[in-house]
Amino acid sequence: DAMVIQNPRYQVTQFGKPVTLSCSQTLNHNVMYWYQQKSSQAPKLLFHYYDKDFNNEADTPDNFQSRRPNTSFCFLDIRSPGLGDAAMYLCATSEGDTEYNEQFFGPGTRLTVL
Amino acid sequence: AQKVTQAQTEISVVEKEDVTLDCVYETRDTTYYLFWYKQPPSGELVFLIRRNSFDEQNEISGRYSWNFQKSTSSFNFTITASQVVDSAVYFCALTTSLTISNFGNEKLTFGTGTRLTIIP
Repeated sequence: DAMVIQNPRYQVTQFGKPVTLSCSQTLNHNVMYWYQQKSSQAPKLLFHYYDKDFNNEADTPDNFQSRRPNTSFCFLDIRSPGLGDAAMYLCATSEGDTEYNEQFFGPGTRLTVL
Repeated sequence: AQKVTQAQTEISVVEKEDVTLDCVYETRDTTYYLFWYKQPPSGELVFLIRRNSFDEQNEISGRYSWNFQKSTSSFNFTITASQVVDSAVYFCALTTSLTISNFGNEKLTFGTGTRLTIIP
């Protein structure tokens, strides 16, 4: 089945130690998104790619970076994780070839910062 | 600015009861889409429905139904004959032409979610 895959599902890192979360998709969608979701809150968009075109949200901290080396993969890099960065990180995709496409989400990576 | 309000933080009902989840939205745009997503304990957000602002027809899919009322800016979601598998957090979301920076870059504005618990 075509899907959005996130690895790992659970990630533990230490305060200040860089960490990379990965997302891959078999849907061949143009757009890939990264969301941060803290406990009992709505997902918050960090940034997204339309093909190689990177779009950063104005309030996304510089500590968060992203890479999209090809259509299928997208990475979220947290350069110096703080305790406040512990959250669920959700990757999503959408076709991007028409307006108002629904987004398809991966299962998320739950990040713990010690 | 766009805003989605889900006033019900948590709801618990006994299995087989009907339950309605409320969603109220705000936007100045005349063209917009509304969505409902389900987030089970596993964490994945599952797409349920998309409705555009020009289509006020209610929709039914199995035990799920949606009532879109532009006059009250509401897009409510009803589950009939609820089942334990319906237990999840449900998010209502909005995207408008105002939140599209360029073609294909839709941005979803989410509500805060409603946690639904179905009691066996």
